[in-house]
Amino acid sequence: NAGVMQNPRHLVRRRGQEARLRCSPMKGHSHVYWYRQLPEEGLKFMVYLQKENIIDESGMPKERFSAEFPKEGPSILRIQQVVRGDSAAYFCASSPESLGEQYFGPGTRLTVT
Amino acid sequence: KQEVTQIPAALSVPEGENLVLNCSFTDSAIYNLQWFRQDPGKGLTSLLLIQSSQREQTSGRLNASLDKSSGRSTLYIAASQPGDSATYLCAVPTSGTYKYIFGTGTRLKVLA
Repeated sequence: NAGVMQNPRHLVRRRGQEARLRCSPMKGHSHVYWYRQLPEEGLKFMVYLQKENIIDESGMPKERFSAEFPKEGPSILRIQQVVRGDSAAYFCASSPESLGEQYFGPGTRLTVT
Repeated sequence: KQEVTQIPAALSVPEGENLVLNCSFTDSAIYNLQWFRQDPGKGLTSLLLIQSSQREQTSGRLNASLDKSSGRSTLYIAASQPGDSATYLCAVPTSGTYKYIFGTGTRLKVLA
């Protein structure tokens, strides 16, 4: 059973470009969380999704950030018009149930130049 | 508002020692608590999940306890090894939500 997959592992974007981060949950998991880890800071919750539904997006910045988890395919975290402050490691985690044990992917390290 | 604190922030011990990592949370109405380890530049690895109805969980050399009433969890590592060197994180969901709050972690270094 493959673990949580994230791609790309490293992403470089210029200011103003769009960043798309992908997360494929573990097989059988229909719950996905996204977190952001800024340099030298802890993990911060961004959003929790179930298939086709955003359940809790209280940690997402109001502008430029969006997330989806379609019926088919990976979950996507999209950042429009990136700024230098968006440079961070973005992790997703999947779970077999709501508030269940979370399994993390290796993360996507976004660098905005 | 749920806040999670981990003490100590860093710990350096010789190989073979038994050690205790602490995690405190301010809102005791938690659903569960999860312990992770994070290696530098890597993702998180789940270690133990304790449900709110449980007092402790064990996996190999690891034992995690939970005292909801006092807002505390401890992670006990027996016979530490250099391979245990990592940052250890605890996380709890904010009451009534799916928003997990992480502590800032304990950076553990086990010296050979």
